[in-house]
Amino acid sequence: DVKVTQSSRYLVKRTGEKVFLECVQDMDHENMFWYRQDPGLGLRLIYFSYDVKMKEKGDIPEGYSVSREKKERFSLILESASTNQTSMYLCASSFWGRAFATNEKLFFGSGTQLSVL
Amino acid sequence: DAKTTQPTSMDCAEGRAANLPCNHSTISGNEYVYWYRQIHSQGPQYIIHGLKNNETNEMASLIITEDRKSSTLILPHATLRDTAVYYCIVTLGGDKIIFGKGTRLHILP
Repeated sequence: DVKVTQSSRYLVKRTGEKVFLECVQDMDHENMFWYRQDPGLGLRLIYFSYDVKMKEKGDIPEGYSVSREKKERFSLILESASTNQTSMYLCASSFWGRAFATNEKLFFGSGTQLSVL
Repeated sequence: DAKTTQPTSMDCAEGRAANLPCNHSTISGNEYVYWYRQIHSQGPQYIIHGLKNNETNEMASLIITEDRKSSTLILPHATLRDTAVYYCIVTLGGDKIIFGKGTRLHILP
């Protein structure tokens, strides 16, 4: 089975801290995604990546950056955490790159609940 | 913005078929329809996808209208474990995948 592993299930940080959320997948997937999920707002795409060192902005990239130095790892970085970044963060990966979506199944991690105090 | 419209919530009696509708009137010819569900406190889980033809797997069936402007996910014999938020997504592939707010399905005992 495909496994997408997020480094922490729960995280508590202080305002202004630099926060790293790590995600690792074990199926050699090209695509990786970071979403955040808030009550009433659903899942919103922050950033995604098609390949190593590639990144694309999603719908809400402000206040975030990402790093993809290795194919299996996609990191989400909060440069200076703020209280409005308190949220559930979900990482996902999928196999198909820039092609038709014949196999664009997304595999999600269990999520990281981040609280910024 | 999501390219799909789904009802906010639905109820279904345990053991009955749950039929979840989705409108995607602006779908393009190469876009696939995908369904995911999210059980409380877990990441979303893939259910099924299709392009034009109806599809069936061990979890569900997907019925896509001939004009492809809408689809229905069918859970043939709903159980309490099927209580979840169900997301309908259209995607071309190699592109950002946008989730809407989904349908909250309540299975009633």
